[in-house]
Formats: sequence, C-alpha cells, structure tokens
Amino acid sequence: AQSVTQLGSHVSVSEGALVLLRCNYSSSVPPYLFWYVQYPNQGLQLLLKYTTGATLVKGINGFEAEFKKSETSFHLTKPSAHMSDAAEYFCAVSDRGNQGGKLIFGQGTELSVKP
Amino acid sequence: DTGVSQNPRHKITKRGQNVTFRCDPISEHNRLYWYRQTLGQGPEFLTYFQNEAQLEKSRLLSDRFSAERPKGSFSTLEIQRTEQGDSAMYLCASTATGVDYEQYFGPGTRLTVT
Repeated sequence: AQSVTQLGSHVSVSEGALVLLRCNYSSSVPPYLFWYVQYPNQGLQLLLKYTTGATLVKGINGFEAEFKKSETSFHLTKPSAHMSDAAEYFCAVSDRGNQGGKLIFGQGTELSVKP
Repeated sequence: DTGVSQNPRHKITKRGQNVTFRCDPISEHNRLYWYRQTLGQGPEFLTYFQNEAQLEKSRLLSDRFSAERPKGSFSTLEIQRTEQGDSAMYLCASTATGVDYEQYFGPGTRLTVT
C-alpha cells in the first residue's frame, strides 16, 4: 500500500523568503511522485513530477523538489516566495508498475505568503 | 486541446435525490480517473477507466455510486439517494499511458446536499 504524509497543514512565509513544504511517502514499489497546486475553487495543476532519472526535478513557477529514496522524501522548495504562491499544495504518489495508476494524495499544506 | 472539462460546476440537491456529473477528458487520453475531495483534505481516489473498461474501484465507492465510460471518451458519475456526507468536490482527471504519467485535472464539480 502507498501513503503520503505532508508535515504541516499550514505554512506561512514572508514574501521573498524560502519556501519548504515537506512530503514523506511510503511505497512498497518504486513510486512516481508529484506535487500539485490548487487555488480556491479550482482543480489541481501539476507543479512537477519525478518518474525516473535525475532526482532533483524542476517545475513551473520556480519550484523544485528532490527525490531522496533513503529518506523516502520528496520535499518541495522555492528560493523566494511570491504573493501569488499562496495556495494549497498536495504531494502525491502513484505506482510505477501500473504506468502511474491512481494517485494517493497527502492531506495538503496551505501556504500563506505575508507581504 | 481544451483540457479536461466537467459539468456542472456546481450542484445543489436535496437529500435522497439522484445526481449525475459528466467529465470530458483530453481527447486521445485513454485513462480517466474520478476523485472526491472534502474540505481541507486531499483528493481521494474513487475509480478509473482505461478506455471503456472500469479497472479499479475504491471501497469509498458505495453501491449508491456508479460510473460509466461507454465509448471510451466522456464519463459520467452518478450518485443515487444522495446523503449529506456526499457533499464534496468531485474531480476528474485524464492521462495517456505510455506517453505521460501526469494526470490532468478538470475544474471539479462541487456538490452540496441539503
């Protein structure tokens, strides 16, 4: 079975500060890993994904994440927060053996950005 | 490519009524997924189709829920005898296996059961 734990349901940073959103996963098979962002009353938009290859992946809007197998982590970072980054962020895992398959999501982290 | 579309965007219904939602995936995407998201939670998987075949259903999908994808294109999700606990955002996503592993999400249908 697969699961995702996002540490911190709410993170608040100042504009220009580092953003760090934590995600740990559990999977008995090699995983695919994703970060999605959700703005109020909207669907989910992919920020970045890890499937194979380089463990440091870069996504849209300046975000990046590093897959650390030994730590079963996939933390999301951005060097400098912008007001427009305020949103809900979800980490998700899927089963590589099923060509992806269903996504198992964490409970989400709400990011607030203070001016 | 117009993205994944869902209709209606909002639905208010009385307890006990039946509701049906529609999802139109990105054309040529062979997989279609349904998720449910309650307030303050991450989306939870309900079911998915590969072409017209329903390959997996979650235990969350009670007998009151049924999903179809008759021609391997659009899909419908029906909830019979709605309950207040069914109030949630219902999200649809699609992907093309062997091409990309990203699931593209629609805007969702928000269901309120009064």
